[in-house]
Amino acid sequence: GQQLNQSPQSMFIQEGEDVSMNCTSSSIFNTWLWYKQDPGEGPVLLIALYKAGELTSNGRLTAQFGITRKDSFLNISASIPSDVGIYFCAGQFNNDMRFGAGTRLTVKP
Amino acid sequence: DAGVIQSPRHEVTEMGQEVTLRCKPISGHDYLFWYRQTMMRGLELLIYFNNNVPIDDSGMPEDRFSAKMPNASFSTLKIQPSEPRDSAVYFCAIRISSSPLHFGNGTRLTVT
Repeated sequence: GQQLNQSPQSMFIQEGEDVSMNCTSSSIFNTWLWYKQDPGEGPVLLIALYKAGELTSNGRLTAQFGITRKDSFLNISASIPSDVGIYFCAGQFNNDMRFGAGTRLTVKP
Repeated sequence: DAGVIQSPRHEVTEMGQEVTLRCKPISGHDYLFWYRQTMMRGLELLIYFNNNVPIDDSGMPEDRFSAKMPNASFSTLKIQPSEPRDSAVYFCAIRISSSPLHFGNGTRLTVT
């Protein structure tokens, strides 16, 4: 179920700007995941983080697994129009996976 | 995505009718999950299977919902009778061992 606090709920930015979003939880997770969902499609995995403190990049995306294991952030640098969509964080502990409510990103050309 | 094929993509039905959603996952997975997505509640886990055996169905809203996995390459989620509040997008997702979830493209259900 939805027990992660994800913020912001929505963002309206200009093309070329950087974006930052984060998730926090009262529970510890051993995996943090970031997904992107385009309209009419399922969530697609962007980045997976497996160790506290881990910082991982995937192109213009960078995500970190918080040291406390209770938070994670995702940064997108130099946004482009195709970055539009809903970004979800997910925390996983064994078979228990929780999702954030999502951050809806709008990029104005 | 070819890894998890869901059908139908869209379903419109009248209240009281039976609805069956289908999922065909790629081979090699250990786990299969059914999620429901709504604006109000986001992504909610309904049930998951491990090696075709239901493990946790505590997320199934009520007895009107049932799910089966007769073999490793097929699963169904059935709602009978359907109600307007069941309108949502239903996702099937798989996992191989401890890998992240891989979602299908969902079935958008509208119950009028």
